[in-house]
Amino acid sequence: QLQLQESGPGLVKPSETLSLTCTVSGGSISSSLYYWGWIRQPPGKGLEWIGSFYSSGSTYYNPSLKSRVTISVDTSKSQFSLKLYSVTAADTAVYYCARQGRYFPYFDLWGRGTLVTVSS
Amino acid sequence: DIQMTQSPSTLSASAGDRVTITCRASLSISDWLAWYQQKPGKAPKVMIYKVSSLESGVPSRFSGSGSGTEFTLTISSLQPDDFATYYCQQYKSHPATFGQGTKVEIK
Repeated sequence: QLQLQESGPGLVKPSETLSLTCTVSGGSISSSLYYWGWIRQPPGKGLEWIGSFYSSGSTYYNPSLKSRVTISVDTSKSQFSLKLYSVTAADTAVYYCARQGRYFPYFDLWGRGTLVTVSS
Repeated sequence: DIQMTQSPSTLSASAGDRVTITCRASLSISDWLAWYQQKPGKAPKVMIYKVSSLESGVPSRFSGSGSGTEFTLTISSLQPDDFATYYCQQYKSHPATFGQGTKVEIK
C-alpha cells in the first residue's frame, strides 16, 4: 500500500529557506501514471497548491509562489523535496505532499502533513 | 487563475438530514472537479472526482452533480462520521485551485 510521509524542520526563521522532503513507500515515483505535488494549509484556512512534478522531469508551480519555490526529486530514494525561499510568517502552514493522477489530476493520496512555523 | 467559491461557509445539520453544498467556478471547468473531506488534524480525503465519480470506498450517500461552472455535493442522509469540512477543487488548468471550504457542523 503506497504511503507518503513528509519530513523536515518544524520551525524556520524569517527570510530563511523552508525545506521539506516527502518519502514515498510501497510504490514508485517514476510511474508515468502520476504527478507528485505539494499543497499547504495555513492554520484555520483553506488549501493552496504549491507545485507538482511529473516523471518526465517537468515541474509546475503556482504562479503566486513560483519565484520562491523549487521542487526536486531523488528517484533512487523515492523522495521528492520542496524548497521555499525567503519565508515570512505568511508561509506558516501545514504542508502536505500528495499524488495526482496523470489523466485525472485530482489529489488521490496524501501524506499526513507537517506543520512548519516561520518565526524568529 | 480559476476562482472556486463554495456556499455556504458553514452548514448546521442533524444526523439523517440531506445536505447540499454548492461550488461555483469563475470559468467553465467542464467536469474537472473533485470534492474532498477534511477532519480536524487530518489530511483531506478525496470523496468524488470528475464531478460525480465516487472514489473507492466512499459511501453511496455521497453524490455529486453539475457541469461547467456550477456543482453540488449532496449527502443524502448525514451520518455522525460526515461532520467535517468539505472542499471543492478544479483541475482543469494550472494552478489547481480549491474552494474556501464548507464546514458541516452538528445542529
